[in-house]
Amino acid sequence: KQEVTQIPAALSVPEGENLVLNCSFTDSAIYNLQWFRQDPGKGLTSLLLIQSSQREQTSGRLNASLDKSSGRSTLYIAASQPGDSATYLCAADPAGSNYQLIWGAGTKLIIKP
Amino acid sequence: DAGVTQSPTHLIKTRGQQVTLRCSPKSGHDTVSWYQQALGQGPQFIFQYYEEEERQRGNFPDRFSGHQFPNYSSELNVNALLLGDSALYLCASSPGGMNTEAFFGQGTRLTVV
Repeated sequence: KQEVTQIPAALSVPEGENLVLNCSFTDSAIYNLQWFRQDPGKGLTSLLLIQSSQREQTSGRLNASLDKSSGRSTLYIAASQPGDSATYLCAADPAGSNYQLIWGAGTKLIIKP
Repeated sequence: DAGVTQSPTHLIKTRGQQVTLRCSPKSGHDTVSWYQQALGQGPQFIFQYYEEEERQRGNFPDRFSGHQFPNYSSELNVNALLLGDSALYLCASSPGGMNTEAFFGQGTRLTVV
């Protein structure tokens, strides 16, 4: 059974720092892994999707990597800004006939001005 | 493209009542999934609809039911509401098939009193 874990649950850093958010999954049989951003009380905004055959994806200041063999994905945020403050969730799309995404509980990120 | 739209955005219901939530998928998407997100947790899969049929169901009681219309929009119905049903309900749309990117709406915040 696929399980997804995100550590730490919360992170507070000064503005301008580069930071890494972690996502671990127990079963390497995945189609892809997605990173999402969620602002308080709001829906989910898709940030990056990495296919199982890819090692990384980049969008602006965001870079996501995927290492299936170790069951890890990281989201790297460069030059953090107060507007990056949000909860970041990762979700694995299991291979096979399972159509549901398997989610981590998220990392709540606070960027201090 | 309006993206995924959900209505209403907020809802307050009394225990024992019934509620209907609505979702319009992103243009070109024929698959709709519903998730429940409790405060501070990752989303939990309720069910997925494809070609007007429930394709997969998560671990939710029969009080939770759904429907997909020929235009691919979807409804989530919850009967006999419990206090524990209070949550953010998220709708995701995607193209049919495996290994596709999910796009989420802004969610419906349901409060049961």
